[in-house]
Amino acid sequence: DTAVSQTPKYLVTQMGNDKSIKCEQNLGHDTMYWYKQDSKKFLKIMFSYNNKELIINETVPNRFSPKSPDKAHLNLHINSLELGDSAVYFCASSRPGQVNTEAFFGQGTRLTVV
Amino acid sequence: SQQGEEDPQALSIQEGENATMNCSYKTSINNLQWYRQNSGRGLVHLILIRSNEREKHSGRLRVTLDTSKKSSSLLITASRAADTASYFCATDAPNYGQNFVFGPGTRLSVLP
Repeated sequence: DTAVSQTPKYLVTQMGNDKSIKCEQNLGHDTMYWYKQDSKKFLKIMFSYNNKELIINETVPNRFSPKSPDKAHLNLHINSLELGDSAVYFCASSRPGQVNTEAFFGQGTRLTVV
Repeated sequence: SQQGEEDPQALSIQEGENATMNCSYKTSINNLQWYRQNSGRGLVHLILIRSNEREKHSGRLRVTLDTSKKSSSLLITASRAADTASYFCATDAPNYGQNFVFGPGTRLSVLP
């Protein structure tokens, strides 16, 4: 069974559209994340949720809105897509409350805005 | 700005050789972790070293941590073509909460 799964794996869309990426984890973790990896492979944290509550929101445009219906899911909705949003988006999860814990990543969603 | 910085950015070696990658960071940390990313895939956790540890081994991997220099190294011994991937260090820093801050990665190519 896949621990952290994201859908879709590939997403090609036109500028101005609204799209969502879904993420689910079956590890029983309370903390979930969204990372963005640009063309130079830099991985940057976008959001972090702990038990459905937002705990980190880096300088991400308001067009990006995470939604956590329950602690196993953290979806990413993007409004008014721009060319610069093209990147690979990774969902991850970890077990909070433990200082020395690892993150488990999904396979990524490659978003291409044309 | 990035907490971790890997060095070198790219490394190309022959199969059987050892590969060493370095990582520097800026703030105090709880731990430092190394991840691997194969092309087009997600990141996979390799090894974690706590801030009070200096060296750790896992199979062909050896990680060192020098908190006085705020640096870590990952050594892969007897490399194989299948080790070809990007390697990232990530720090779990107290002031970042439950957040893993990644460096830009080292792209390792192991030639058969």
